[in-house]
Amino acid sequence: NAGVTQTPKFQVLKTGQSMTLQCAQDMNHEYMSWYRQDPGMGLRLIHYSVGAGITDQGEVPNGYNVSRSTTEDFPLRLLSAAPSQTSVYFCASTGDSSYEQYFGPGTRLTVT
Amino acid sequence: GDSVTQMEGPVTLSEEAFLTINCTYTATGYPSLFWYVQYPGEGLQLLLKATKADDKGSNKGFEATYRKETTSFHLEKGSVQVSDSAVYFCALYFGNEKLTFGTGTRLTIIP
Repeated sequence: NAGVTQTPKFQVLKTGQSMTLQCAQDMNHEYMSWYRQDPGMGLRLIHYSVGAGITDQGEVPNGYNVSRSTTEDFPLRLLSAAPSQTSVYFCASTGDSSYEQYFGPGTRLTVT
Repeated sequence: GDSVTQMEGPVTLSEEAFLTINCTYTATGYPSLFWYVQYPGEGLQLLLKATKADDKGSNKGFEATYRKETTSFHLEKGSVQVSDSAVYFCALYFGNEKLTFGTGTRLTIIP
């Protein structure tokens, strides 16, 4: 039981490049979320999903796309990277109504 | 909208000192409240939670009580250790699939 896994751990992109951050969970959780963590701003919700085939926008969705074709996977796509997207990205999942979230180890992204 | 306010950090304490990290919230109803902890280089993990007024969450020597009258959920520990050095996040949940986090408080414990 690996919990929530994220790849890659570190990534450097040039402005305008695109990439996909991978997230997978093996706990059969319905709810999955993507957050970004920036100094002094805590965690901000980018997108979330309440089940396969269903996604919705969070607080800061611009510049990011998501899809949820399976219960296990919830990839985050950066369409055209910008320096403002330099951040640490966390994926999380939860399986019950109390909303205790399980977080992945994070991806540190730098856009130059 | 719903929001969480945490005390500004960083907080530096000596080992065995008493710890309080303040957290207050603004919400139109009665959310569930959480404290998450982030150790260096890791993701967040749940430390404790409380789902209704007057509930006390506790774990690893940490405690927090859900105070409806003061809309607060302050984190306390009687005797901190170096291993408690981390960033602590207060959060609330209203049943809308969205967890709202505070900005985090960095705690450093000196031996």
